[in-house]
Amino acid sequence: KQEVTQIPAALSVPEGENLVLNCSFTDSAIYNLQWFRQDPGKGLTSLLLIQSSQREQTSGRLNASLDKSSGRSTLYIAASQPGDSATYLCAVRGSQGNLIFGKGTKLSVKP
Amino acid sequence: SQTIHQWPATLVQPVGSPLSLECTVEGTSNPNLYWYRQAAGRGLQLLFYSVGIGQISSEVPQNLSASRPQDRQFILSSKKLLLSDSGFYLCAWSGDSRQETQYFGPGTRLLVL
Repeated sequence: KQEVTQIPAALSVPEGENLVLNCSFTDSAIYNLQWFRQDPGKGLTSLLLIQSSQREQTSGRLNASLDKSSGRSTLYIAASQPGDSATYLCAVRGSQGNLIFGKGTKLSVKP
Repeated sequence: SQTIHQWPATLVQPVGSPLSLECTVEGTSNPNLYWYRQAAGRGLQLLFYSVGIGQISSEVPQNLSASRPQDRQFILSSKKLLLSDSGFYLCAWSGDSRQETQYFGPGTRLLVL
């Protein structure tokens, strides 16, 4: 059974810092991995999607990497801003097409 | 462009009452549809998914049910709510390729008292 773990559960950083969020999964047989952002009381917004054949994806200040063999992914946020404050969720897509989520990392960027 | 709607946005219901949450998608045809629940202190959990009208797969046994009466409509129901049904319910859609992303609706916050 696929399990997704995100570390740390919460993170507080001053504005301008670069930071890394970690995600690990137990079964390397995945189709893809996604990083989402969730603001309080809101739905999820897709940030980056990495196919199983890819090693990284970039969008603006965000860079996500995937090491499928070791079951790990990282989300790198450069030059963090207060507007980046949110919960970041990692999810892997299994053989049935459903997403299996981690519990998320709650990020707070202090001005 | 595609959009996904959920209603109501917030719902407070007594234990034992029925439930009906609705999700509709616009701008696409024959989407895969999903219901997730996000409970306090727990991650997002897939409840149901549907690959077509009348086709529902359940991931977790519970007192909830789902139906897909139309191509772009997905309904989550219960005959009698339990306290443990409280949570944030999210609907999502995707194309039929396993490589595609899922797009989420704004969610419904359900509080069962």
